[in-house]
Amino acid sequence: DTAVSQTPKYLVTQMGNDKSIKCEQNLGHDTMYWYKQDSKKFLKIMFSYNNKELIINETVPNRFSPKSPDKAHLNLHINSLELGDSAVYFCASSSNLGRVRSDTQYFGPGTRLTVL
Amino acid sequence: DQQVKQNSPSLSVQEGRISILNCDYTNSMFDYFLWYKKYPAEGPTFLISISSIKDKNEDGRFTVFLNKSAKHLSLHIVPSQPGDSAVYFCAASVASYDKVIFGPGTSLSVIP
Repeated sequence: DTAVSQTPKYLVTQMGNDKSIKCEQNLGHDTMYWYKQDSKKFLKIMFSYNNKELIINETVPNRFSPKSPDKAHLNLHINSLELGDSAVYFCASSSNLGRVRSDTQYFGPGTRLTVL
Repeated sequence: DQQVKQNSPSLSVQEGRISILNCDYTNSMFDYFLWYKKYPAEGPTFLISISSIKDKNEDGRFTVFLNKSAKHLSLHIVPSQPGDSAVYFCAASVASYDKVIFGPGTSLSVIP
């Protein structure tokens, strides 16, 4: 019974294409996140949504657009993919406004995106 | 601008011995610190946390120590087991922010 799931697990695509990564959590959490782990292994937050409302929007190119149809889903759509977008993307969720003092973040297994 | 640093990319320890993973931070506003553990092809999982009002938190084999004056924290694993082999991420947050800053991780290998 997967708590935070992401699809696909691997994504290989050509430069210039548009792709989406889906994330679902069945923990009943109200806050969801997207992180990017780059080639240097840093985990950096990209976006955070609370009850379908955008809370955090880091300095991310506007080719990246998160969409939250409901509080259990947070999808990431990427337009005009570039070589530098190659990374592992992690979805996560937590049960409050991202304040981890009382609740921690639960991560999905990651999506490895390779742009050729 | 690396606010959370883990200067040792890797560490090898014999089974049964103590593993000590170190983390330094630059932002004095951080008031909550966490350690996450990550196995290959999986997402990070929460391990242990500590508030800045404490200097030690213990959970079974895992203990986190915080030295605020040195802006340093460490994770001790005693005794180390082969199943502890993973990448360990140090992370920090501030009450007024809604985000967690992660370090680059330290890869721990526990040798049987």
